[in-house]
Amino acid sequence: DIQMTQSPSSLSASVGDRVTITCRASQSISTYLNWYQQTPGKAPRLLIYGASSLQGGVPSRFSGSGSGTDFTLTISSLQPEDSATYYCQQSYNTRYTFGQGTKLEIK
Amino acid sequence: EVQLVESGGGLIQPGGSLRLSCAASGFTVSSNYVTWVRQAPGKGLEWVSLIYSGGSTWYADSVRGRFTISRDNSKNTVYLQMKSLRAEDTAVYYCARGDNVGDYMDVWGKGTTVTVSS
Repeated sequence: DIQMTQSPSSLSASVGDRVTITCRASQSISTYLNWYQQTPGKAPRLLIYGASSLQGGVPSRFSGSGSGTDFTLTISSLQPEDSATYYCQQSYNTRYTFGQGTKLEIK
Repeated sequence: EVQLVESGGGLIQPGGSLRLSCAASGFTVSSNYVTWVRQAPGKGLEWVSLIYSGGSTWYADSVRGRFTISRDNSKNTVYLQMKSLRAEDTAVYYCARGDNVGDYMDVWGKGTTVTVSS
């Protein structure tokens, strides 16, 4: 199976900060990389698909980049409602795998 | 409105069986692929199983041989039959719709909780 590794596992940032989360795949996955946001007690929400395409209804402060094995999720100006756990997920291989998650807290 | 509603979770003893349902509305399950993803208490997301529009099925190694995914097109519902349940199967189980072109899960249900305990 393809292993997905996110960093950092957790971070704390202030409103207005630029935040970057990294995801690395154990082998090349082209751009078959998706990002999800999850708040406590809620289902995951798709943010970014195909490494860089913004899902409809998602604020434009979210962006994604990368290809091959290295990917990033960037929040350009952090808002209070962005406090959540973020997961990357590969869809290159039908046996989908997720990163371990990055918990983002607002200072 | 496109929606998925899971049901069938509950408390079950180790070794027992349970069938989860994922009822879809706003789209047809035979036209998209549908996945099951679970989340153990305090843990991350784990992909469990997938059924393609053509009917082919895939499973995570952790559940292969114990879980079976299927669908009933007449009820627009996908099922996850779980057998030989273990404590480590305790989780919230989500079903999600897969986009056929982009290979991503764009609509998720709210989840149903399975607790395996004696």
